Amino acid sequence: AQKITQTQPGMFVQEKEAVTLDCTYDTSDPSYGLFWYKQPSSGEMIFLIYQGSYDQQNATEGRYSLNFQKARKSANLVISASQLGDSAMYFCAMRERDSSASKIIFGSGTRLSIRP
Amino acid sequence: ETGVTQSPTHLIKTRGQQVTLRCSSQSGHNTVSWYQQALGQGPQFIFQYYREEENGRGNFPPRFSGLQFPNYSSELNVNALELDDSALYLCASSLAAGGGANEQFFGPGTRLTVL
Repeated sequence: AQKITQTQPGMFVQEKEAVTLDCTYDTSDPSYGLFWYKQPSSGEMIFLIYQGSYDQQNATEGRYSLNFQKARKSANLVISASQLGDSAMYFCAMRERDSSASKIIFGSGTRLSIRP
Repeated sequence: ETGVTQSPTHLIKTRGQQVTLRCSSQSGHNTVSWYQQALGQGPQFIFQYYREEENGRGNFPPRFSGLQFPNYSSELNVNALELDDSALYLCASSLAAGGGANEQFFGPGTRLTVL
């Protein structure tokens, strides 16, 4: 069965520092997609970054980058120059194909708190 | 471009009652997925609707049912509510049932409390 593991329930980081949020996954499917979402206290899931299993380079989106290590089944999110507005829950997720459907499996999340 | 909207934002019900949650998909999207997010956990897939048909289902009992309308908006119905149904219900829309990067765009969610 496919699974996402986030081992950091919570993290505190000083403003302007870089932070790495850990994510490991397990799948037997050779084709898959990995996502990171941000969920502020309002509840909405905000898409941050995507990495396809066949992508040769690590994905980057502004201050977000995904450290994709396929052999280790790891997909860590790196946020550079953290800001107070980065305080939120962060979820690592994987796209799973179940017949014709495409659902996303989420990890348990990491609560990131940025200190001024 | 109109984003995903959900209604109501908050809802309080009692055990045994029935509830209907609504979702309007993003303009141009024909697929809607529903997720349940219990407090302190990641979202869990309930089911997906593609072109008005159920297109995949997670590990949820039959009292969780849904509909998708010709305009691709969707409803989630839960019968015989239980205390454990208290959660944030998220709707996500996508252009098709599979593939791609930005494939699912989430709405703000409906917070359901069952007393």
